[in-house]
Amino acid sequence: ETGVTQTPRHLVMGMTNKKSLKCEQHLGHNAMYWYKQSAKKPLELMFVYSLEERVENNSVPSRFSPECPNSSHLFLHLHTLQPEDSALYLCASSLGAGGTYEQYFGPGTRLTVT
Amino acid sequence: GQNIDQPTEMTATEGAIVQINCTYQTSGFNGLFWYQQHAGEAPTFLSYNVLDGLEEKGRFSSFLSRSKGYSYLLLKELQMKDSASYLCAVRDLSNDYKLSFGAGTTVTVRA
Repeated sequence: ETGVTQTPRHLVMGMTNKKSLKCEQHLGHNAMYWYKQSAKKPLELMFVYSLEERVENNSVPSRFSPECPNSSHLFLHLHTLQPEDSALYLCASSLGAGGTYEQYFGPGTRLTVT
Repeated sequence: GQNIDQPTEMTATEGAIVQINCTYQTSGFNGLFWYQQHAGEAPTFLSYNVLDGLEEKGRFSSFLSRSKGYSYLLLKELQMKDSASYLCAVRDLSNDYKLSFGAGTTVTVRA
């Protein structure tokens, strides 16, 4: 158990659906991240929040919309997705940035867009 | 930006040693991380290097040469449970929050 939980663990949605992914960290960290992991490809950083303020938005399509209501919770709202958006979506958190602060990852949500 | 290369797959025998190389090209280097990811699970932190040299943690060691843009992860006394994907990640000097990952090296340990 890494202290970062994600729900749901699996999600199948049609291209016209709207769904949300939820991430919660129980580590008292100040920064939270969304990554996309596709098969045989590097993890792609999507969004970063530090103390509920977005500090990175990595040219992600607007059909992905993040929300960070407090430093413990992070959401990724999904709408009108494409089949190529099918991937593992990982949430992570860190105490800070720089230095030896490593990121702690959740187990991910396996998303399939049909 | 970052360009990070590591081998796709490696196979080794239980009890042996395996070295996973990672080369990177970066406009600004501010640390290198290694993560382990078992199939279907979250990546977990293994090591961090920011200065040149070797960092040892039990059976795992990580080496960094900043002048060569090169790191390796050394796994000793391999066990079956070490079968996993190993991810190399470089932190960007311009943004402490941003890690750029390699595609990962899948290590298979055989009996």
